[in-house]
Amino acid sequence: KNQVEQSPQSLIILEGKNCTLQCNYTVSPFSNLRWYKQDTGRGPVSLTIMTFSENTKSNGRYTATLDADTKQSSLHITASQLSDSASYICVVSVPSGGSYIPTFGRGTSLIVHP
Amino acid sequence: DSGVTQTPKHLITATGQRVTLRCSPRSGDLSVYWYQQSLDQGLQFLIQYYNGEERAKGNILERFSAQQFPDLHSELNLSSLELGDSALYFCASSPRQRTDTEAFFGQGTRLTVV
Repeated sequence: KNQVEQSPQSLIILEGKNCTLQCNYTVSPFSNLRWYKQDTGRGPVSLTIMTFSENTKSNGRYTATLDADTKQSSLHITASQLSDSASYICVVSVPSGGSYIPTFGRGTSLIVHP
Repeated sequence: DSGVTQTPKHLITATGQRVTLRCSPRSGDLSVYWYQQSLDQGLQFLIQYYNGEERAKGNILERFSAQQFPDLHSELNLSSLELGDSALYFCASSPRQRTDTEAFFGQGTRLTVV
């Protein structure tokens, strides 16, 4: 079982609508949780970084939340735009041998239709 | 443009062969990270170098090796290639030593093993 599970696997919404993507993780402890946006054929771009003590972090129309008790994080996208069509990846960094190894979710593929 | 340059963009080679992927980090960044992204496994962290020294190691096969040179560029060497090694290989860089810090990704090298 993957240590970082994302849902839904894919999502289609209309332009202007809001949506929420989920990330459930089993790893503990961890140093931080990050959300990345990856456009097709391009490298991931960081959206938010949260430590285990933070509950919410915003970056423009993107708002990430973290519940360390339930080991869940969500990424809320407000007033979606066509350019939001991408894969959104959740990453949890796990301490290992004096370093922190990133463990990636499989991502949620978001398609925004006009 | 993240400022991280990867070459080549595409590579097609036969099973059993050896290839070298090259990465030039952003100006001033001392850390270089390598990742593999395949359809069935998603993104996986391979290895990190900081200022020429190996800093962290993830799911990197023994057939794979990497190094970072004094000018801070890095190379990922893949040998005895198998069909399953076909994937997107990303390099990322950051100014920090930590593995869990925000990193800036290159455009990737798409490797196809036939």
